[in-house]
Amino acid sequence: DIQMTQSPSSLSASVGDRVTITCRASQSISSYLNWYQQKPGKAPKLLIYAASSLQSGVPSRFSGSGSGTDFTLTISSLQPEDFATYYCQQSYSSITFGQGTRLEIK
Amino acid sequence: QVQLVQSGAEVKKPGASVKVSCKASGYTFTSYDINWVRQATGQGLEWMGWMNPNSGNTGYAQKFQGRVTMTRNTSISTAYMELSSLRSEDTAVYYCARGFVVAGAFDIWGQGTMVTVSS
Repeated sequence: DIQMTQSPSSLSASVGDRVTITCRASQSISSYLNWYQQKPGKAPKLLIYAASSLQSGVPSRFSGSGSGTDFTLTISSLQPEDFATYYCQQSYSSITFGQGTRLEIK
Repeated sequence: QVQLVQSGAEVKKPGASVKVSCKASGYTFTSYDINWVRQATGQGLEWMGWMNPNSGNTGYAQKFQGRVTMTRNTSISTAYMELSSLRSEDTAVYYCARGFVVAGAFDIWGQGTMVTVSS
């Protein structure tokens, strides 16, 4: 199975900050990498698909990059509603998720 | 609007089975795969498998092979996930999610169904 490792596991930041979350695959997954946001008690929400494509309706402050084994999710200017847990997911071979990155208010 | 609505919370005893439903609306049910993902309290997301509602074809994560069955009723646009031989470690929120056309992403999610396994 392909393992997905996110870093950091948790992160404290302030409104207006630029934040980057990293996801590393245990083997190359091309661009088969998606990012989700999950708030407490809610289902995950698709933010980015195919590593860098913004899902319809998602604010442009979210962006994704990378290919192969190393990927990043960037939030250019944190808003209050962005404090949540973020997951990466690979779909190159079966489906696996990263362990999540909890983004908290500083 | 496009949505997936799941059945309500369940409490089961160890060794029993549970069947969760996922009703699709707002789109053509047979045009998109349905996936199932679970999440134990305070833990991450775990993919269980997928089903093509048109053909009924399925694919299950190795961990759940032999214990999970995914089916559908196209006449009512509903997908089902049945998990058998339940144990306490199966206590989790179970989500259905629609397969996006690109990159194996999941673009529409159900609200989740809490399954508690307790004696």
